[in-house]
Order: sequence, then C-alpha cells, then structure tokens
Amino acid sequence: NAGVTQTPKFRILKIGQSMTLQCTQDMNHNYMYWYRQDPGMGLKLIYYSVGAGITDKGEVPNGYNVSRSTTEDFPLRLELAAPSQTSVYFCASSYSMGWGENSPLHFGNGTRLTVT
Amino acid sequence: KNEVEQSPQNLTAQEGEFITINCSYSVGISALHWLQQHPGGGIVSLFMLSSGKKKHGRLIATINIQEKHSSLHITASHPRDSAVYICAVCSLGGSNYKLTFGKGTLLTVNP
Repeated sequence: NAGVTQTPKFRILKIGQSMTLQCTQDMNHNYMYWYRQDPGMGLKLIYYSVGAGITDKGEVPNGYNVSRSTTEDFPLRLELAAPSQTSVYFCASSYSMGWGENSPLHFGNGTRLTVT
Repeated sequence: KNEVEQSPQNLTAQEGEFITINCSYSVGISALHWLQQHPGGGIVSLFMLSSGKKKHGRLIATINIQEKHSSLHITASHPRDSAVYICAVCSLGGSNYKLTFGKGTLLTVNP
C-alpha cells in the first residue's frame, strides 16, 4: 500500500496565483484532514472530511477550499495565493473519527509551498 | 483553550543515552498522540494512549491523566532516532477534530 500520497512536494507561487494540492489515500479511510505547519508552531487543521461529499472547516480555513468527490481523494485549493500561505502542508487520514487507540493518523510526506 | 507544552525544545544526546521528552497539557483529554517527524519532513504516528503506558521496541510512552502529563522515552538512543517529536491531544468534550499539537522537540543523537 502507498498510504497517503501528496503532490507536489515543492511549489513556488506568485501572489494571486491559484493551485491545487493533491492528496490521495489507498487505505479506504473515511476521515481525511489537511494541516499546515509553520516554523516554530504546532500543526493547524485547515479542513477535514468525514466521507465522500462531506467536508468542514478546521481552525484556519480562510483562503482555502476543499472537495471530497471520492473516498480516496481530498484536494486542497488555494484560490488567490498570499504570502501568509507560505507553509508546509500535510494531508492525513484515519480509519475512524474518535482518535481512539485503534485509529492512528496516517500522514503524507508534505508539500512545501512558498508564495512570493 | 487547551495548551500543549513540550520540553525540552531541543535535545542533543550521545548514542546509547536514555532520552526523555515531556508533554504537558492544560485541560482534560480523551487521547494523546506522539508523532515523529523525520528530517525529510514525513510524519509518522508512534503512539496513541489514553492511560498508562505503551512500549514499542526502544520507545516507551507514559501518561498521567491526573497530572496532565505524558513522557516519551527512548532507550539506547541511536542517530537514526534524530527527528522532531510531536505531542498532540484531543480535548474531552470537544470535537474529535480539534487536536491541539505541541511545537515539537528536536532530538539530535550524535554517534
């Protein structure tokens, strides 16, 4: 199994450009998440999904959009890139929602995004 | 707001040493995670626990719910253990999606 796959690994955007960060998982997990990691800060939840067709905002959703048309895919869209969106982005998935001891998070390898 | 504090922020050790990383939090929780972030950036789940102690290989995680404190121990440390170790907690009574992450502890193990 590949687990959680994120693309691209690196990207440089100009202010105002848009892009989509791709995330796919092959573990048939219903629950998927997008986090951002800023230097010296803990991971922050951007959006999450509990299943195909269902998404909801996390702690820092402004400037981002998501969709979940299939169980496998959970892309993150940046419409008008801003320097404040320079960060490392992680996609994750889990089997259940309860953060129980049988439901660890599985992370992708991250996307390093720079907006200049 | 639940705060998660990790200590130390940075830790340098010699190969073979016993390592302890601490995590303290301010409110009641339902579960606590320990994660490892490799130098290349990937994040791996090490432990999830809500009570007691768990062991996997040279790694041991403990939690004291009353004291709102958890520790991650590494026995016989090795250079390949060099990574950032992250603690995250899920608050009691809150949304299951409101994990609060610590800022991480950077561990460097020298040969």
